[in-house]
Amino acid sequence: QVQLLESGPGLVKPAGTLSLTCAVSGGSISGGNWWSWVRQSPGKGLEWIGEINHSGSTSYNPSLKSRVTISIDNSKNQFSLRLSSVSAADTAIYYCARKVVVANWFDPWGQGTLVTVSS
Amino acid sequence: DIQMTQSPSSVSASIGDRVTITCRASQGISSWLAWYQQKPGKAPKLLIYAASSLQSGVPSRFSGSGSGTNFSLTISSLQAEDLATYYCQQANNFPLTFGQGTKVEIK
Repeated sequence: QVQLLESGPGLVKPAGTLSLTCAVSGGSISGGNWWSWVRQSPGKGLEWIGEINHSGSTSYNPSLKSRVTISIDNSKNQFSLRLSSVSAADTAIYYCARKVVVANWFDPWGQGTLVTVSS
Repeated sequence: DIQMTQSPSSVSASIGDRVTITCRASQGISSWLAWYQQKPGKAPKLLIYAASSLQSGVPSRFSGSGSGTNFSLTISSLQAEDLATYYCQQANNFPLTFGQGTKVEIK
């Protein structure tokens, strides 16, 4: 079955850029699904960040849109998140997830990776 | 944005008890609602989609109901392995939004 695995630095300096990658195994990223990023922090709970499909079309949460870029690499079967100008409020567990075809719920999810913003 | 409000924020029940969690949307979302289970230290797992459809492999003691703005998740007979936090998520409008979670504890 499809599995997702996040990777990237666990510590980012304030005002820097957070960069994460989600590797997809057990299935092709080039199908009909959309691929999402969701984060979880104690203060804001679960927050949808944005998503991308195989052709590179994206949709972002307006609250983060000015700072977020999601990209896809079909040849490597992975997609990525970049969040710029980070602050302590961006400290969270970041999950990648597959959005099911023709619906807006998530299954499966990656295991998550903790990113801390601190100097 | 559509606000999702869950209640209660936590519930403590005994093994075998019936547990019900409610989720209210700030505007109508038809049946575009999902429920997730998150065990400590793990990622959320899809339990219920389209308000009442059970995800493959999920025990039948879990059920969902509702439409419009009011929804519920019921565990018919609580088991020890159901210790977790449960989240609802509206799937009708962007940005997709989640409830704040309900923590289920075992007495």
